[in-house]
This record gives sequence, C-alpha cells and structure tokens, in this order.
Amino acid sequence: EAQVTQNPRYLITVTGKKLTVTCSQNMNHEYMSWYRQDPGLGLRQIYYSMNVEVTDKGDVPEGYKVSRKEKRNFPLILESPSPNQTSLYFCASSLGTTDNEQFFGPGTRLTVL
Amino acid sequence: EDQVTQSPEALRLQEGESSSLNCSYTVSGLRGLFWYRQDPGKGPEFLFTLYSAGEEKEKERLKATLTKKESFLHITAPKPEDSATYLCAVQNSGYALNFGKGTSLLVTP
Repeated sequence: EAQVTQNPRYLITVTGKKLTVTCSQNMNHEYMSWYRQDPGLGLRQIYYSMNVEVTDKGDVPEGYKVSRKEKRNFPLILESPSPNQTSLYFCASSLGTTDNEQFFGPGTRLTVL
Repeated sequence: EDQVTQSPEALRLQEGESSSLNCSYTVSGLRGLFWYRQDPGKGPEFLFTLYSAGEEKEKERLKATLTKKESFLHITAPKPEDSATYLCAVQNSGYALNFGKGTSLLVTP
C-alpha cells in the first residue's frame, strides 16, 4: 500500500531533550516536506526537500533540523525542544516538485513540557 | 512575502445547499494552487492542482476555479460527508508551499 508513515504518533517529552520524528514513504517520491499545524495558525511548512541531499527552509525552520540521506526517509530533528514546539506535525511527499499531489502522513502529536 | 487568505473561516450548509469557498492569494511566481480536504485528526487529502488563470477542475460535487488573484471551491448539492476543513495552498517559484488557515465546512442533513 502506498503510504507515508511517521513515528512516533504521540510523544510527550521535556524541554531540552533531543528527539527525532521519523518519516518514510514507499512511493519513490522526490519531494518531501514537514509541516506543523497549530490552532488559529493553520498548516505551516518547516522544511522541504526536492531530492536526496537537497533541503530548504520553509516558513518556520527555527529550532528544527532535517536530513535527506535516502530518498524514502526524511527525519525531523529537534535538538533542544521547547514548549512552543508543542504541535501536531505532518510529513508529506509528492512525486515531483510541482505536481504537488502531496500525500500526508497520519501526524505526530508532540507535547514538550 | 506569500499570503493566502481563506474565507469564510466557517460555513454551515443544509444538505443540497450549494455554496463557494474563497482563497485569495499573493505569491512571487505562482507554480500552482492546491486544494486539500482535512478531516479531524487526519492529514490533509489532495483534491486539485490549478496552474494558470482560467483553469477549472471538477471532482464529484466539487469544482475549483482560478483567477490571477483568487481561487474558488464550488460545492454543488453538498452531502453531510462533505463536512471537513478545506485548505488552499500556493507554491511559489522557490518550491515552498504556503497554506491558508482553512474553511471549516459543516453540512447538516
């Protein structure tokens, strides 16, 4: 089944404890992206990647890191999480950079205490 | 800076009552405008991509149109299962995506 998977789905952590949210797609997609969704602010792009080893900042990259060493994986790293990073995170992928039929993962709900 | 504004924020319709959702945008070099549907607790689901002014696309009861400044999502004779949040997004010349805050649609029987 074609899908985007994220792990973990739910995470409660404490300020400053490094964490990684994994994202994997099995559709051989070129474009991958991370978003956060907050009430009243909508869906905001954190980082995106047009291909392996090519990443770029979205609207809200501060406090996040990404890497794209393999086509299928695009992990999101929070080196020192803070409470303002409490949010619902979505990973998405699409075949090309402009067709943008993006397939979204199920979401990761992160709480930073 | 790219901007996407969706209106209304919330819309309540009776089953069968047609209406339109609006997405107005400013973007540096539009590569595409996209519509997504999002159900509570789930990731957005792709509906349409529009690339140039005058383009229209249809899917079941939904029809999306595009001008140089805005896009409309027309919903004809909606059913309760059309209840969801509808998101509009634009992609600029640099490949970044910018989403609007969405329109929450409720269709009552």
